[in-house]
Amino acid sequence: DAGITQSPRHKVTETGTPVTLRCHQTENHRYMYWYRQDPGHGLRLIHYSYGVKDTDKGEVSDGYSVSRSKTEDFLLTLESATSSQTSVYFCAISDDSLLAGEQYFGPGTRLTVT
Amino acid sequence: GENVEQHPSTLSVQEGDSAVIKCTYSDSASNYFPWYKQELGKRPQLIIDIRSNVGEKKDQRIAVTLNKTAKHFSLHITETQPEDSAVYFCAASIRTSGSRLTFGEGTQLTVNP
Repeated sequence: DAGITQSPRHKVTETGTPVTLRCHQTENHRYMYWYRQDPGHGLRLIHYSYGVKDTDKGEVSDGYSVSRSKTEDFLLTLESATSSQTSVYFCAISDDSLLAGEQYFGPGTRLTVT
Repeated sequence: GENVEQHPSTLSVQEGDSAVIKCTYSDSASNYFPWYKQELGKRPQLIIDIRSNVGEKKDQRIAVTLNKTAKHFSLHITETQPEDSAVYFCAASIRTSGSRLTFGEGTQLTVNP
């Protein structure tokens, strides 16, 4: 597995509380992504980053924000968690070599909003 | 944006049989098509991919075919084994640096001993 870690791995939180998930990579890859995985929906892109301080929205970005202040860290924040954000969140990375496009995933974070 | 449809949603085969999973995509500009395998409770793992300049790619028991005209691509697994049981996802993107993948909804493959 590529050097990708996510923290926490599991979290239970209450509706209305802020939550931050962290993705950390040791591969020095330029691109980082946040996906959520729900039954019947596959993996859906929330936000992605193409460099330090450079981010953009994915297809399901409402209710989420991201930040990338260092190459190795990509943070996903739920400003005010809702039950619809209960999901498994995966971070992924890719580089800008000739193999551009290949994405490698972290172990995932299971988030439950009660 | 891109839309990827994947069929079937579940597939059950006997050990040693072949399995085929099919995906269609909507954006004719897409030119990179990876396949991921996800075991229960694990992360998705890239198992094979194909770029639009080729029609077929093989890696041992796994092969992927691409028909750009029809905008569909397929995963073929031969001589299936119980350890092939997992959820398989197809995806599509425009192959550039930092490409954004659009995933299909997944196929639960069960290989019965």
